Amino acid sequence: GNSVTQMEGPVTLSEEAFLTINCTYTATGYPSLFWYVQYPGEGLQLLLKATKADDKGSNKGFEATYRKETTSFHLEKGSVQVSDSAVYFCALTNSGGSNYKLTFGKGTLLTVNP
Amino acid sequence: DAGVIQSPRHEVTEMGQEVTLRCKPISGHDYLFWYRQTMMRGLELLIYFNNNVPIDDSGMPEDRFSAKMPNASFSTLKIQPSEPRDSAVYFCASSIGRGGRRNEQFFGPGTRLTVL
Repeated sequence: GNSVTQMEGPVTLSEEAFLTINCTYTATGYPSLFWYVQYPGEGLQLLLKATKADDKGSNKGFEATYRKETTSFHLEKGSVQVSDSAVYFCALTNSGGSNYKLTFGKGTLLTVNP
Repeated sequence: DAGVIQSPRHEVTEMGQEVTLRCKPISGHDYLFWYRQTMMRGLELLIYFNNNVPIDDSGMPEDRFSAKMPNASFSTLKIQPSEPRDSAVYFCASSIGRGGRRNEQFFGPGTRLTVL
């Protein structure tokens, strides 16, 4: 079956620090990969996605590259801001078939201090 | 465009009472998902619908939970009777099953349920 493993949190950084949140996956076929972000008291929002190997998703300064050889989709940002404090979820779906279920990781809490 | 709408945003009830959570998906979306989020178990998919038909309800914890989608613009998740362990944030999400944005799920703000 499908599974997503992401680094345990919480992660605490100072403003302008470099961020990496690791995500690896197990899936059959050719999954699409996603990063969702959840700000306090809100629902999840799609941050970025990649649908095939070597694709790079990017948004709001965040990037992640779909690495099929290492089954990874690590999230990075060069300089975090206080407003980036949130919970980040890595997720996948097998878009090749008719199954539209998302499989989520457990989430990583990021706190950015001024 | 209006996003996914959920009501109520907060619900406090006593054990044994019936609870109904409501969701209005984004217009034109043909998939609807119900999730539960807790600190212990994280985000769990309970059930999802395609064109108003339940496709997979394997995540529904037990018979006390039921979900319906009578039309394309409305779904309910009902818990009867409710128990304290049902306390969680319940999210509804919708997506479109075709085109370049298929599989992108859009989440509502959630309903925070507290069962005393």
